[in-house]
Amino acid sequence: EADIYQTPRYLVIGTGKKITLECSQTMGHDKMYWYQQDPGMELHLIHYSYGVNSTEKGDLSSESTVSRIRTEHFPLTLESARPSHTSQYLCASSDLGRDQPQHFGDGTRLSIL
Amino acid sequence: LAKTTQPISMDSYEGQEVNITCSHNNIATNDYITWYQQFPSQGPRFIIQGYKTKVTNEVASLFIPADRKSSTLSLPRVSLSDTAVYYCLPNNAGNMLTFGGGTRLMVKP
Repeated sequence: EADIYQTPRYLVIGTGKKITLECSQTMGHDKMYWYQQDPGMELHLIHYSYGVNSTEKGDLSSESTVSRIRTEHFPLTLESARPSHTSQYLCASSDLGRDQPQHFGDGTRLSIL
Repeated sequence: LAKTTQPISMDSYEGQEVNITCSHNNIATNDYITWYQQFPSQGPRFIIQGYKTKVTNEVASLFIPADRKSSTLSLPRVSLSDTAVYYCLPNNAGNMLTFGGGTRLMVKP
């Protein structure tokens, strides 16, 4: 019943490549988020958006960039991947309002060789 | 943002009730308290949310005392499939969530 989709689920790629991780939601949520999570570790917010043309950096510094051209789409891009970017990237969305929980995708597990 | 403290891990057996308590001493007046569950290789999943007193849904109950400095997630009659990491987070007006380490619940047969 997932309403938020991330592709690819797994990606193994070489150093220096440009990567785009896709995230789409069908719930019409204004807010979207990207988190980074290493195995067995905490989730860290790296980017978020309040709506179209809005993007902000999160608590954890990241070399990735994001864009929000359409409400339902919030892709994350790494211009030149490095082994230090190896991690799981989780996308989430939520409606406006202080009591609105976040809905998460199942993540993209990224491995940079 | 309010900081939370939860036990790092808990063990239980099938059929038992599990209570996980989270402290959030500096929770803001407008913050809701939200609990998420995360299985390996999946994103967190919303379980329950409350502001004060008691909230119950088909999955769990949430108890929040009057001072709101802590909350307790209660899972009735756990099964092996409840083995997961459970996160407690104050959900503020900006929806900025700060995930801590969560509580790793291991349910044994």
